Amino acid sequence: DGGITQSPKYLFRKEGQNVTLSCEQNLNHDAMYWYRQDPGQGLRLIYYSQIVNDFQKGDIAEGYSVSREKKESFPLTVTSAQKNPTAFYLCASSIRRTSGVYDNEQFFGPGTRLTVL
Amino acid sequence: KNEVEQSPQNLTAQEGEFITINCSYSVGISALHWLQQHPGGGIVSLFMLSSGKKKHGRLIATINIQEKHSSLHITASHPRDSAVYICAVSRNTGNQFYFGTGTSLTVIP
Repeated sequence: DGGITQSPKYLFRKEGQNVTLSCEQNLNHDAMYWYRQDPGQGLRLIYYSQIVNDFQKGDIAEGYSVSREKKESFPLTVTSAQKNPTAFYLCASSIRRTSGVYDNEQFFGPGTRLTVL
Repeated sequence: KNEVEQSPQNLTAQEGEFITINCSYSVGISALHWLQQHPGGGIVSLFMLSSGKKKHGRLIATINIQEKHSSLHITASHPRDSAVYICAVSRNTGNQFYFGTGTSLTVIP
């Protein structure tokens, strides 16, 4: 079955530690995204990548880093510089946007809940 | 100010009731999306539309481009419809989505 997997589902981190969240997709999608979800707020874009070896900052990139060495994988590192890292993190992917009226839908992973102790 | 506003924030309904969730947006869009998030956190796409109306089973989504407004309707609601429903828009420029804060729906048997 094609889809997006994220691991781990729950992650606990001590303050001052970096932690990496995994996101893998076998949908052959070009674009991948990382979002953060906090209670009472809409999803906010952290980083996105439209092709391998290229990625762009989203609205809240400070304190995060990503890499896109393979089409299937887009790991997110939450660094110690991120002041409030406790949140629910969602990865998504989509076929590269083509010209025209319709955008392609995004497919979401199951999410990782990160808690800083 | 959020680009996407949803109402109501929370909604409780009796099983069988007709439910409407509203979404207004303030930017030019190429498509509007309705998403469903279950308590476990995973998100699934319900609808993607840029005009008119779409229907899947008991769910109906409409959009009025001139008024920048969309509605999601659930007919004959069921407890398994209990979830958070999120409205999102995608824009003509870039490849970014803007998300509403979600409507938490609870359907009571």
